[in-house]
Amino acid sequence: DSGVTQTPKHLITATGQRVTLRCSPRSGDLSVYWYQQSLDQGLQFLIQYYNGEERAKGNILERFSAQQFPDLHSELNLSSLELGDSALYFCASSVEDKQPQHFGDGTRLSIL
Amino acid sequence: GQNIDQPTEMTATEGAIVQINCTYQTSGFNGLFWYQQHAGEAPTFLSYNVLDGLEEKGRFSSFLSRSKGYSYLLLKELQMKDSASYLCAVRGEGGSYIPTFGRGTSLIVHP
Repeated sequence: DSGVTQTPKHLITATGQRVTLRCSPRSGDLSVYWYQQSLDQGLQFLIQYYNGEERAKGNILERFSAQQFPDLHSELNLSSLELGDSALYFCASSVEDKQPQHFGDGTRLSIL
Repeated sequence: GQNIDQPTEMTATEGAIVQINCTYQTSGFNGLFWYQQHAGEAPTFLSYNVLDGLEEKGRFSSFLSRSKGYSYLLLKELQMKDSASYLCAVRGEGGSYIPTFGRGTSLIVHP
């Protein structure tokens, strides 16, 4: 158990819809990272937040957004969903930028 | 940019030793990670190398040569539960400390 909690574990929805994925980092970790993992793309970095502020941005689509709240939990919002958005979405956390990241169990998103 | 190469798949026998290689080209270098990921599960941190040499941690060891842009993960006394994907991730220089992940090496351990 990494200490990082993600909900829900599975999500099935339709094209055009909007979903919110939630992540609670390990106790004491200030950084939260979001990744997308699909079969043909590997683990792709989306965005990082540190203590409530956006710290780094990766290959995140404009249809996607995230935020980190004062209690340090984070949400990833995916809108106007397309079939290609079906993937595993992982959240990870670390104490600070240079430390190893610890991953949650992921949310499996299926778009029908 | 960063480019990371790992073999796609490897097979080995229970009880044996296997070495998984990772080569990289990056804009600077600020650390290399190895993660283990079982199918459909979260990546689990295995090791971190920032200086040249071998880091040993139980049955797993990781080696780094910065001048060659090369690392390997060595797994000894293989067990069936070691069947998983092994991800190499490299952190370059610059303002962001976000590591870039390789596509992973799928290791199959058979009896």
